[in-house]
Amino acid sequence: NAGVTQTPKFQVLKTGQSMTLQCAQDMNHNSMYWYRQDPGMGLRLIYYSASEGTTDKGEVPNGYNVSRLNKREFSLRLESAAPSQTSVYFCASSGTQRQPQHFGDGTRLSIL
Amino acid sequence: AQTVTQSQPEMSVQEAETVTLSCTYDTSESDYYLFWYKQPPSRQMILVIRQEAYKQQNATENRFSVNFQKAAKSFSLKISDSQLGDAAMYFCAYRGSPNFGNEKLTFGTGTRLTIIP
Repeated sequence: NAGVTQTPKFQVLKTGQSMTLQCAQDMNHNSMYWYRQDPGMGLRLIYYSASEGTTDKGEVPNGYNVSRLNKREFSLRLESAAPSQTSVYFCASSGTQRQPQHFGDGTRLSIL
Repeated sequence: AQTVTQSQPEMSVQEAETVTLSCTYDTSESDYYLFWYKQPPSRQMILVIRQEAYKQQNATENRFSVNFQKAAKSFSLKISDSQLGDAAMYFCAYRGSPNFGNEKLTFGTGTRLTIIP
């Protein structure tokens, strides 16, 4: 069972470069989320999609864009990467609103 | 906005002993969910246990149980018979009422648990 799959697992970028993080889930979940995890902090929500065709900002959306390509896929794009975006990024999904979220294995992103 | 506070950055426990991790939260909602997630060095986020606020009974999952005090807004995790594999970061998380479209998780800053052989 794949669950939530994130690609890539690691990436190094230079300041100003762009990049898209990919996320796909095979659990037929309606809702998908992008979080970032910084040292000494819990996960913080960047964007989420409650259903196919909808997206909403979370706690820290600045510098990011998202696309809910279809029910399975939810991508996160950094248009012009900045060192402050160095972090570990997690994608998650959930089925009905009362179900817990399932997480991918994370992407470690370093911006030089 | 909801906040989640974990006041213990680090905890340690002897193998086979019991340890309790603390979590408090702030909310004005009456219907919500609370979770404990485990993050081992592999970086995976693993759901340990969940509690629905409208349920008075404390959740249990094998060696893991919670002490949910709704009036005090407290949600502690008890790990019994600690094992080496329990070593990880533990995050407490809050999720608001789905009736208002509030599916977002708010996390605490985590507690790093070390198991002493």
